[in-house]
Amino acid sequence: SQQGEEDPQALSIQEGENATMNCSYKTSINNLQWYRQNSGRGLVHLILIRSNEREKHSGRLRVTLDTSKKSSSLLITASRAADTASYFCATGLIQGAQKLVFGQGTRLTINP
Amino acid sequence: EPEVTQTPSHQVTQMGQEVILRCVPISNHLYFYWYRQILGQKVEFLVSFYNNEISEKSEIFDDQFSVERPDGSNFTLKIRSTKLEDSAMYFCATGTGGPDTQYFGPGTRLTVL
Repeated sequence: SQQGEEDPQALSIQEGENATMNCSYKTSINNLQWYRQNSGRGLVHLILIRSNEREKHSGRLRVTLDTSKKSSSLLITASRAADTASYFCATGLIQGAQKLVFGQGTRLTINP
Repeated sequence: EPEVTQTPSHQVTQMGQEVILRCVPISNHLYFYWYRQILGQKVEFLVSFYNNEISEKSEIFDDQFSVERPDGSNFTLKIRSTKLEDSAMYFCATGTGGPDTQYFGPGTRLTVL
């Protein structure tokens, strides 16, 4: 498998429910970032969590990072129709690389 | 809030033609990146640029690709002789340093016919 893999690939829930998306990666990282992409549009940065952090909150978003399991989760609480989008995790690597390595993404659909 | 801008939003070109995609970074950012996303696929890193030179490039970024900051503000990606498989969304991203938050532009959709 590749660096930065999200699961599930697609998630459909009712408005008001919580949505949880997971990301796994393979190499040591400096940080992990989550981005949102509305269909055919650009990438919107949601949150960055560094390798020495375990949990971070931003509004209705909660991100966890478990470096021992090389995994992260993104929780969106009290989902809204406007949260419908694709969500990507991207890892910033340690070895001098400034690039982000993206996963395949989770397509989230919030049903009204 | 400052943002990264890209032009054009959509570029249609014939195979073999040269295209230049343009990006205006956030003003105090020093690190610049190009990524691409083929329809339905994940975002892939192409190249990073710092201090007027390429700091890293992927295997996708072959001799057909080049980047520069021609006037100290715009950041451009040139594809010398486009191929059908170059059709994708191209994103510029900029940041203040290293593996930190990168801010993405809205993208240029390149269609090669």
